[in-house]
Amino acid sequence: NAGVTQTPKFRILKIGQSMTLQCAQDMNHNYMYWYRQDPGMGLKLIYYSVGAGITDKGEVPNGYNVSRSTTEDFPLRLELAAPSQTSVYFCASSYPGTGTLTNYGYTFGSGTRLTVV
Amino acid sequence: TQLLEQSPQFLSIQEGENLTVYCNSSSVFSSLQWYRQEPGEGPVLLVTVVTGGEVKKLKRLTFQFGDARKDSSLHITAAQPGDTGLYLCAGFSGNTPLVFGKGTRLSVIA
Repeated sequence: NAGVTQTPKFRILKIGQSMTLQCAQDMNHNYMYWYRQDPGMGLKLIYYSVGAGITDKGEVPNGYNVSRSTTEDFPLRLELAAPSQTSVYFCASSYPGTGTLTNYGYTFGSGTRLTVV
Repeated sequence: TQLLEQSPQFLSIQEGENLTVYCNSSSVFSSLQWYRQEPGEGPVLLVTVVTGGEVKKLKRLTFQFGDARKDSSLHITAAQPGDTGLYLCAGFSGNTPLVFGKGTRLSVIA
């Protein structure tokens, strides 16, 4: 099993450019998440999805958009990149759809390190 | 927004020493998880604790969930260099996504 796959691993953007961070999971998980991690700040939730066609905002959604057209894929779109979006971005998935949601851990990808200059 | 406070923020110890890291909140969580993250990688789940007072062991790691389900601790016995990493606690409140603490960065020196 590949688990959660994120691409690209590294990217440098200029201010005002746009890009899409890709995330795919092969575990048939219902729930998918995007977090960003800044030094010393832990993980902050950007957006999440509880199933195909359903998305919701997290703690820090401004400047980002998401879509969930399939169970497997959950891309994160950055429009008009700003230096404040320099961070490491992690995609995660959880919950096969049976049992208690809060008993399941998250499976994370290996991250995308984004620098906006 | 529920907050999880982790302490200490940094910890540097010699191989063979014991250590405890803490995760505290003023909020009640339905379950709490611990993750370990190594440089350049995503966090990896270590354990989930669900019941107040619950204790789980994973080899040399012992995890405890507070009786009131507001806090947790991670104790490592005889630390080894392979234990080096960022330890994150995270909690579920209802069915909302996990809330993460800022982490404890552990360095075990051989």
